[in-house]
Order: sequence, then C-alpha cells, then structure tokens
Amino acid sequence: NAGVTQTPKFQVLKTGQSMTLQCAQDMNHEYMSWYRQDPGMGLRLIHYSVGAGITDQGEVPNGYNVSRSTTEDFPLRLLSAAPSQTSVYFCASKGAANTEAFFGQGTRLTVV
Amino acid sequence: GNSVTQMEGPVTLSEEAFLTINCTYTATGYPSLFWYVQYPGEGLQLLLKATKADDKGSNKGFEATYRKETTSFHLEKGSVQVSDSAVYFCALSDGGYSTLTFGKGTMLLVSP
Repeated sequence: NAGVTQTPKFQVLKTGQSMTLQCAQDMNHEYMSWYRQDPGMGLRLIHYSVGAGITDQGEVPNGYNVSRSTTEDFPLRLLSAAPSQTSVYFCASKGAANTEAFFGQGTRLTVV
Repeated sequence: GNSVTQMEGPVTLSEEAFLTINCTYTATGYPSLFWYVQYPGEGLQLLLKATKADDKGSNKGFEATYRKETTSFHLEKGSVQVSDSAVYFCALSDGGYSTLTFGKGTMLLVSP
C-alpha cells in the first residue's frame, strides 16, 4: 500500500523557473493539503482541498497554485520560483475532517 | 484562530531518562490533538492522538493526555532510547476545517 507519494524528492530551480510538485494518494481520501517546512517555523499550510474540484488557500498561498481534478492527485505549481520558496514541501491526505493525516516523504526544493 | 505552542529544543537526554515535551493550544470548538514524529530525512508519522477531553493517547511507550481545562497535550515517555531521537510536532485539527495546525517542533537528542 503506497499511501501518499510525492515526486520528485529533490529539485534545484533557478529563480523565475516554474515547476510542478506531484502528490498522489491511493487511500481514496477526500482531504489533501500541501505544507512547507522551514527551520524554526514548523509546518505551514499552503493550499488544501476537501474534494475533487474544490481547493482553498492556507496560511502562505502566494506564489503557488493547486488544482484537484481527481480524488487521487493534488499537484502544487510554482509559477515563478523565488529563493524564498526554498523549503521542504509535504503533501498530506486524510479521510475525514477530524482524523489523522498521512504524509508523503517530502520534496526538498532549492531555488538559486 | 487556532494555534499550537510547544517547548523549544533541542531537548538533550541520556538513554533511559524521562521525557516531557510541553504543548498547549488555542482553538475554537473541540479539536482533536495529535503528536507527530519526524525522523531525519523522512516525512511525518503519527505517533499518537486524542479526540476528546481526558482521552489519553499512547504508542511505543509515549503518552499524552488531552487536558481541556489547561488546553494542554504534553508528551511523556518514561525511558527514552537513542532511537527516539527525532523532531516531535504537536498539532490540532479543528472539526470545522480539514487541515492541521502545527507547533514549531521540538528536536529530541538522546545519547547512549
């Protein structure tokens, strides 16, 4: 059982480039989220989705786009990468609003 | 809004010592509370959870009790091992939202 799968694991971008971080889950979960983890800041919510076709902004959404065309996939798009987006990104899914979340292994992104 | 405050680290202990990591929260409604653990280079894993006041979550020798009167969810373990070295995150999930609010994390270092 794969759970939550994120790709790639590592990525280096130049300032201004765009890219998509992939996230897929095979647990038929309705809820999916993207977080970024920075030293001393914990995890901060970027965007989330409560089901296919429904997305909303979290705490730090600027510079990121998401879409949810299927239950399984929730990609995160960086439109024009900036050094401030250097971080570790985690995707998570959960089956119901007040239950535990399952996390992917993370994507370490460096923007130079 | 929701918030989680946990003690800053790193917490440095010798093997077999007693561990306490403090966590307090602010939330509207009646949140569920979680402790997640992150081992080096990995994603977050659920360690334990509690869904209502006075519930005690436990796993792998770790325990935490949901104290509504003090809005706390302190993590304890009677005898830590070197393999417990990791970063520990306290988090809450408010039933009205599908996302988690995290504390900043506490690094635990256990020496032989």
